[in-house]
Amino acid sequence: GENVEQHPSTLSVQEGDSAVIKCTYSDSASNYFPWYKQELGKRPQLIIDIRSNVGEKKDQRIAVTLNKTAKHFSLHITETQPEDSAVYFCAATPGGYQKVTFGTGTKLQVIP
Amino acid sequence: EADIYQTPRYLVIGTGKKITLECSQTMGHDKMYWYQQDPGMELHLIHYSYGVNSTEKGDLSSESTVSRIRTEHFPLTLESARPSHTSQYLCASSDGTHYQPQHFGDGTRLSIL
Repeated sequence: GENVEQHPSTLSVQEGDSAVIKCTYSDSASNYFPWYKQELGKRPQLIIDIRSNVGEKKDQRIAVTLNKTAKHFSLHITETQPEDSAVYFCAATPGGYQKVTFGTGTKLQVIP
Repeated sequence: EADIYQTPRYLVIGTGKKITLECSQTMGHDKMYWYQQDPGMELHLIHYSYGVNSTEKGDLSSESTVSRIRTEHFPLTLESARPSHTSQYLCASSDGTHYQPQHFGDGTRLSIL
């Protein structure tokens, strides 16, 4: 089955700096890669996703890049703000009726 | 408003009790999931369903059971609660088509005394 590794497990950055979270996956059939943000005491929520036929996707201060050959994808947050502090989860799935596999999460702390 | 709802939000109960955690979604999603998560930690898949009368066990061994008699409803039952079941339980759903994210409920925080 699919295995998703996520690094780092914790990340502290100064407000205004960039943050990068990296994930690797094992199943070459995976073709959909969502990222979720979970604030303290809240439900995980989708912040951005990418399909395997796309190399990069941006949404304001957030971007995701995908390298299918190396089987890794990354979340980039620029100009970080205190409200970006949360746990971030990457995920991968071949789609259809295959399971979604989540990474182990990254706790991001943005220091004002 | 289309959403996914979990009840109760919090439950404190004694060992040995039978518990049912409720999950309902109004988005017409085919797929539904149950995860166990200690606060801020990894998401562990315990059960999932791809439609009515379809249920599968997930990656985490669990003493719970689920049922899917209606598309919108996916309850989780613990026949005899133990302190080791203390955790947060998150329900999620997604559309059956490709490239669709999961939508999570607010969770049930369960404490077994």
